[in-house]
Amino acid sequence: AQSVAQPEDQVNVAEGNPLTVKCTYSVSGNPYLFWYVQYPNRGLQFLLKYITGDNLVKGSYGFEAEFNKSQTSFHLKKPSALVSDSALYFCAVSPRSNDYKLSFGAGTTVTVRA
Amino acid sequence: ETGVTQTPRHLVMGMTNKKSLKCEQHLGHNAMYWYKQSAKKPLELMFVYSLEERVENNSVPSRFSPECPNSSHLFLHLHTLQPEDSALYLCASSGDRDNSPLHFGNGTRLTVT
Repeated sequence: AQSVAQPEDQVNVAEGNPLTVKCTYSVSGNPYLFWYVQYPNRGLQFLLKYITGDNLVKGSYGFEAEFNKSQTSFHLKKPSALVSDSALYFCAVSPRSNDYKLSFGAGTTVTVRA
Repeated sequence: ETGVTQTPRHLVMGMTNKKSLKCEQHLGHNAMYWYKQSAKKPLELMFVYSLEERVENNSVPSRFSPECPNSSHLFLHLHTLQPEDSALYLCASSGDRDNSPLHFGNGTRLTVT
């Protein structure tokens, strides 16, 4: 069975500073990896995904994530954080088996202070 | 507008009540999902339907009963719930391929008293 770990419950950064949200995963075979964001009182919104190819994936709102197979990690990054990036971020992993088994982490709350 | 609409947004029910959550998607997707979101825990996949056929049932108690009458609508029927069932219930839809992102509704905040 696959699993996702987000080791930090909370990440606090100052506006304009780099933002990193960590994610490690466990899955059989090669994974599909995703990041989602959730704003208060809203559902999750898709940010980006890794399927194959370039290990650096670019997504919405200036976010990017780097797939590292040897470290089984898929950390989310943004070079310069905005106050509006404050939200709950979820990493998710799916095996390449087309059986709808997408597993989510517990989420990391990001707070960007002005 | 997310393309996935859930009603009601909030629901308070007693343990002996029967209620239903509704989800509708306008994205032309073939797969629909129910997830349970509790604070500080990973999202729990409850049910998956593909082309109106249930393909996943993650050992969910029988007090939760899903229904998918067509590929655009998904229901979650609730009866004799427990206080620990209080949570945010999220509906999502996706395309057929396993790398298709999920599109989520805004959820129903359920409180069981």
